[in-house]
Amino acid sequence: SQELEQSPQSLIVQEGKNLTINCTSSKTLYGLYWYKQKYGEGLIFLMMLQKGGEEKSHEKITAKLDEKKQQSSLHITASQPSHAGIYLCGAGSERAGGTSYGKLTFGQGTILTVHP
Amino acid sequence: SAVISQKPSRDICQRGTSLTIQCQVDSQVTMMFWYRQQPGQSLTLIATANQGSEATYESGFVIDKFPISRPNLTFSTLTVSNMSPEDSSIYLCSVARVGGYTFGSGTRLTVV
Repeated sequence: SQELEQSPQSLIVQEGKNLTINCTSSKTLYGLYWYKQKYGEGLIFLMMLQKGGEEKSHEKITAKLDEKKQQSSLHITASQPSHAGIYLCGAGSERAGGTSYGKLTFGQGTILTVHP
Repeated sequence: SAVISQKPSRDICQRGTSLTIQCQVDSQVTMMFWYRQQPGQSLTLIATANQGSEATYESGFVIDKFPISRPNLTFSTLTVSNMSPEDSSIYLCSVARVGGYTFGSGTRLTVV
């Protein structure tokens, strides 16, 4: 079964600093999803990546999937306290070809704290 | 994108009792997923629920403990049966949609 390793496990930054969270898989990623979770709440969809080398941005968050499709990174520019939360990467099912017809396997999450 | 209403948002239950969690989706969806998130842990899939067929359970989860209903394409329930403190977790439902997955707001369950 696919396992996702996220690093770092936790991150504390000062407001305004840039940061990067990594998600690494031992197998090819068929659809890589990034979510944000506020403590004790549901998941907020951030971005989905499918193609090797793909990069997507939304506001101050940029996500990339490497050419080999085994590693993804999430980069936040000029962090703000509103960025604080748990960031989770999830991988789609190989059988489903990464499309939205299978389960997601999640990394263990990265806890981000942003100090004002 | 699909909007999911999940109830209850939280509950405190006595051990040995059961709790049923509901998820209502604002559009018809083929697949619904139920996840568990234990304290300080990531999400683990419990089962996949398709309308008109029995749910498919992941390794380590059984129907007697987590019975699921999927009576139509917009609704599903997960029951946590004969609860013990180890069942204290956040339970989330999710639906597949074009371009990604949407999650409910979660049910925070505490078993005392």
